Amino acid sequence: AQTVTQSQPEMSVQEAETVTLSCTYDTSESDYYLFWYKQPPSRQMILVIRQEAYKQQNATENRFSVNFQKAAKSFSLKISDSQLGDAAMYFCAYRSARGMDSNYQLIWGAGTKLIIKP
Amino acid sequence: EAGVAQSPRYKIIEKRQSVAFWCNPISGHATLYWYQQILGQGPKLLIQFQNNGVVDDSQLPKDRFSAERLKGVDSTLKIQPAKLEDSAVYLCASSWWGGGPDEQFFGPGTRLTVL
Repeated sequence: AQTVTQSQPEMSVQEAETVTLSCTYDTSESDYYLFWYKQPPSRQMILVIRQEAYKQQNATENRFSVNFQKAAKSFSLKISDSQLGDAAMYFCAYRSARGMDSNYQLIWGAGTKLIIKP
Repeated sequence: EAGVAQSPRYKIIEKRQSVAFWCNPISGHATLYWYQQILGQGPKLLIQFQNNGVVDDSQLPKDRFSAERLKGVDSTLKIQPAKLEDSAVYLCASSWWGGGPDEQFFGPGTRLTVL
């Protein structure tokens, strides 16, 4: 069974600086998708960025980028120019490309709490 | 585009009482999910619907939890009777079809406190 591990329960960064959140996963599959979701305090979970495993190029979305190391099964999230609004729980998630009977569930990590220091 | 709607936002009940949560997904989304999120943890999938059929309910405590999605649109999740350990945020999410790079859109959640 696939697992997702986020080894940093909490991270803090100074406003305007760069921070990297770690995520590792375990799978025997070669085709899958990886996601980072953000859950601000008392607000809805939203998708930050996603990566297809077959793509070698790392995904980027404005200030957010990933470092996808397929062989190492690592999928870290880099946030550049951190802003106060980036404070949230960040969850890493995995989805197999091969679902059975339409079951394509996400496998979630435990999350990393990001604190932004003004 | 309207987002995923959930109600109520907060609910406090005594143990052994019943409670129901409602979810209205984004229009056109075939897949609907109910998650349980305990404070400080990632979401735990309780049940996944594809249209009005159940795809996965392997982690749903079926002796006390039930869920339905009538006509493949709205969904309700019920707990009867509630236990102290059911205190959590219950998240509803929806997506177009659920696979591949498909994004899940989440509602605001219902925070349940069982006393």
